[in-house]
Formats: sequence, C-alpha cells, structure tokens
Amino acid sequence: AQSVTQPDARVTVSEGASLQLRCKYSYSGTPYLFWYVQYPRQGLQLLLKYYSGDPVVQGVNGFEAEFIKSNSSFHLRKASVHWSDSAVYFCAVYCGGSNYKLTFGKGTLLTVTP
Amino acid sequence: EAAVTQSPRNKVTVTGGNVTLSCRQTNSHNYMYWYRQDTGHGLRLIHYSYGAGNLQIGDVPDGYKATRTTQEDFFLLLELASPSQTSLYFCASSEGWGGYEQYFGPGTRLTVL
Repeated sequence: AQSVTQPDARVTVSEGASLQLRCKYSYSGTPYLFWYVQYPRQGLQLLLKYYSGDPVVQGVNGFEAEFIKSNSSFHLRKASVHWSDSAVYFCAVYCGGSNYKLTFGKGTLLTVTP
Repeated sequence: EAAVTQSPRNKVTVTGGNVTLSCRQTNSHNYMYWYRQDTGHGLRLIHYSYGAGNLQIGDVPDGYKATRTTQEDFFLLLELASPSQTSLYFCASSEGWGGYEQYFGPGTRLTVL
C-alpha cells in the first residue's frame, strides 16, 4: 500500500532563512506527488504537483520541490521564508491503478520567527 | 468567491446526538470528498462520491453516512455522535480522481461532549 512519511512534525526557521521540508513515499513506480499548505483556520491549498518531466517543479510563492526517484523523496524547498509562510504543510501521493486514493502525510507545522 | 463552502463552521453536540455537515461546491466538479483531520493522523478519507446519487466508502467510514444529492451538494451524517468523532472535518472537490488537484472548503470543527 502507498504511504507517505513526513518525519518532522514541527520545524522552526528564522525569517529570511532557507527551508526544506522532508517527504518520503513508498511505491515502486512513479506516483503523482503533491504538496498542500494549510494556513491557520483555512482549508488546504495546492502548492505544487509532480507527475513527470523535470524533477524540480516550481510552485506558488517561491516554493519548489524535487522528485528523487532513487530516494523515494519529494522534499519541499524555499530559498528565503517569510513570516506569512507559517502554516502546516502536507505531502500527498497518488499511485494510480486499483489503489485509488490520495494519501496524505501527517503534516509538518512550520513556524517562521522574526 | 469561495468555490467550496461548508456549514456550519463550528458545531457542538452531545454524545448520541444527530449531526449533519453540509458542503457545496461551485466548481462543476464530479468528485467530492469528506475528510477528518486529527493531530498525529493528518487527513483521513471518510467517504467520497463521483456524482449525484453515488457514494463510495473511504478509509475511516465507521459511524458516518454520506449523501450526494446534486453535483453541488455533499452531506456527512453522524446519527449517533460519539466523542471519538470530535474532529476538524473538511470537504473537497476535484475534476477527476487521484492525480487531480483537490479544492478544499474551510472546514467544520465538531465537538462531541
């Protein structure tokens, strides 16, 4: 069965610093991979999505993620964070076929300090 | 305008109570979903639907019923609410299954006393 692991429940970074949020999945093929963000008191919003092509995919608000098949990873990055990036970030995977569903990781709470 | 709306935004009920959560989407999407979000579990799929009158079971369906009355409207029913159903509930819609972006509502916080 497909699964997603976000090993860091909480990450704190200073404003202006770079960011990496980790995501690993379990699936032998190439899945659809997503990063969603949840701002306080809101629903989830899509940041970026990958299925094929350039393994570095650009998203909204300066976020990007890199698909590394050999490592089964899809880490989210940003060069310089802003206080408004404080939110919960979810990695999700869809593997297709009879395994129909979108599986979400448990989320990483990002806090950006001044 | 918000394309996925949920009501109520907050609900408190007692154990054994009857609760209906409502979701409406104006995206003209065929697929709609109900999730619950709990600390330490992320989002878990309760039920989903790919059209009016259709209902599919998700990963955590026990204690929940759902009904899709129109393309726009999807309801989640808790007929005998229990404290374990205290959670944040999200509705979402998508154009297709799996690899398509899901659009989420703002959530309903349900407390069962």
